[in-house]
This record gives sequence, C-alpha cells and structure tokens, in this order.
Amino acid sequence: DAKTTQPPSMDCAEGRAANLPCNHSTISGNEYVYWYRQIHSQGPQYIIHGLKNNETNEMASLIITEDRKSSTLILPHATLRDTAVYYCIVNNYGQNFVFGPGTRLSVLP
Amino acid sequence: GAVVSQHPSRVICKSGTSVKIECRSLDFQATTMFWYRQFPKKSLMLMATSNEGSKATYEQGVEKDKFLINHASLTLSTLTVTSAHPEDSSFYICSAEGTGGAGYEQYFGPGTRLTVT
Repeated sequence: DAKTTQPPSMDCAEGRAANLPCNHSTISGNEYVYWYRQIHSQGPQYIIHGLKNNETNEMASLIITEDRKSSTLILPHATLRDTAVYYCIVNNYGQNFVFGPGTRLSVLP
Repeated sequence: GAVVSQHPSRVICKSGTSVKIECRSLDFQATTMFWYRQFPKKSLMLMATSNEGSKATYEQGVEKDKFLINHASLTLSTLTVTSAHPEDSSFYICSAEGTGGAGYEQYFGPGTRLTVT
C-alpha cells in the first residue's frame, strides 16, 4: 500500500499557483519525498524530491513540514500543459516506488 | 535529466503469441530496473524488479513464467509476455534507478501499450 494520501482531484486557474498537498505521517527518517506526474498515456515524469529541507527547481517547489509528516508541491504559474495526475511517493534508496492513486490536477483556462 | 526509452511504444498481437518489450537507459547505467503495469484509470502497479546479472524479483500474483524478465546488461532490460491473452492488454512502463546528489531518482520510460486481440 502507498504510504501517502492525496486529494483525488484539484482544479487550478491557468497562471495561478497550484498547491498540491500530500500526507505521509508514517514516513521514516531516511525516506525521501518524491513527486512525479503522469500526463495521459505517458510514463511518469520526475518533478522534484527532498528529505527535510524545502527544495526548488525549474519545475516546482517542494515544501516539507518540520515534522516531515506532510508536504506540498507548488507549481508557481500553472499552465494548461500541467494538467496531469500528480503522485507523491515516499521512498528509500533501492526500494521500488509504490504509487497511490495520486491527485488529478486540472488547469482551467 | 536521464533518459529511459522503451520499444515498441505500442504493439498489437494475437492471443497466444509472445511479445518482447525493451527498456533501455540511454545515458546512464542501471543495475536495477523496475517493470510496472497500468490499467485504464488506475495507478501503476509494480510487477517485478530486474537486477542486472541476476534473477528478477516478482511481486505477489505476477507469474514469472508468463512475464519473463531479462536484464543482461547495465542499460537493457526486457519483458516478454508469453502466450499473451486479452486480459494482458495494458500499459507497461519500465523505470531505471539512477543516482543523484541527494537521494536517488527513478527515471521512467514512455510506456508500451500492449493490445492482445
């Protein structure tokens, strides 16, 4: 079973920030938080990952709470091409990824 | 980022035939690759873990004699669906494990859509 829970769906207006939450209350100390997204009929695309510090790259920002029990993926300026299913996964090196149902983000014009 | 390719991207085969799907890491070496299956409107489900030079580890409920996995080199893993049946029709996705500066990343292929008629 996935170790994370996410809302099944979210809407976001184009150009606005999309904030996708994820709960991972049973995360262990050496597990990372990963975010991937899957656009219809494509393989999952890596977005970002982190351990305990907030992370930012050209795609998104990852905010991890101090107790590490939850995190938020932020897409600062959502576009129509960001419409996808977003998966939050906690994992450690060498282990397979366990995918939950994810959050279906719809970016609306 | 690192690139993982799959071939073919889609295949249609007749019931009872076998189909081979290739997964390649194009610009890095991967000692471990994973094979997933995804049914319509469902999430990815792990089928097996493929380790270079050793036997694959299959998840519970996945028949190893039906889904043959070979990981003969550090850049190639193959999945062969033997004696395919219509219920094997699915989206098959592989991933390869790379190493980043902190933690590691798993890079996914574009997927192979198998349709068994």
